Amino acid sequence: QVRLVESGGGLVKAGGSLRLSCAASGFAFYDYSMTWIRQAPGKGLDWVSDISGSGNTYYADSVRGRFTISRDNAKNSMYLQMNSLRADDTAVYYCVGEYSNSLHYWGQGTLVAVSS
Amino acid sequence: QSVLTQPPSVSAAPGQKVTISCSGSSSNIGNNYVSWYQQFPGTAPKLLIYDNNMRPSGLPDRFSGSKSGTSATLGITGLQTGDEADYYCGTWDSSLSAWVFGGGTKVTVL
Repeated sequence: QVRLVESGGGLVKAGGSLRLSCAASGFAFYDYSMTWIRQAPGKGLDWVSDISGSGNTYYADSVRGRFTISRDNAKNSMYLQMNSLRADDTAVYYCVGEYSNSLHYWGQGTLVAVSS
Repeated sequence: QSVLTQPPSVSAAPGQKVTISCSGSSSNIGNNYVSWYQQFPGTAPKLLIYDNNMRPSGLPDRFSGSKSGTSATLGITGLQTGDEADYYCGTWDSSLSAWVFGGGTKVTVL
């Protein structure tokens, strides 16, 4: 059974930092590209960042230079280091496993709230 | 403003059919696979359709997907009250090198 569990969210002041973690189980993690998707309160889905199984990374323009995605295949884990946080980064952040050209497996999400 | 365009809401009576459109461009829908996601309030999105028209195992065949050119469509037949949710289309955009989504469509069962 596939399971993705996010942690590390919380309340932080603008300009601060947080590190999100995603623990994966139930599938061949090293073979999957992984993604962070966020959803601001009452809003739609917003892609944040992608990392391939081999470590190639992609970022949305809104977070490039502030966020860093990484993974540890030995620990079946993915991370998102978020620096210089802004009020508009406030959202639920989902860890997602990509498969067959889709966002196939979703975690339950972790809330990041940035106070201005 | 979302890269993909969906209607904000659709509605129909129980047992009827609804369709949700998703319009994009050649850099996204036109040259990449489309997927659809269902989201109930307060919960994570769930994959409904992948590779334009494929259903994950266990998903009822009341849900269907199609793609033509730079547009895609999600269909729900035999509408049930349990289908009331937000639905999003998504795909990779080759020009942006980014996942892009529609703004979401709220399905209401009358």
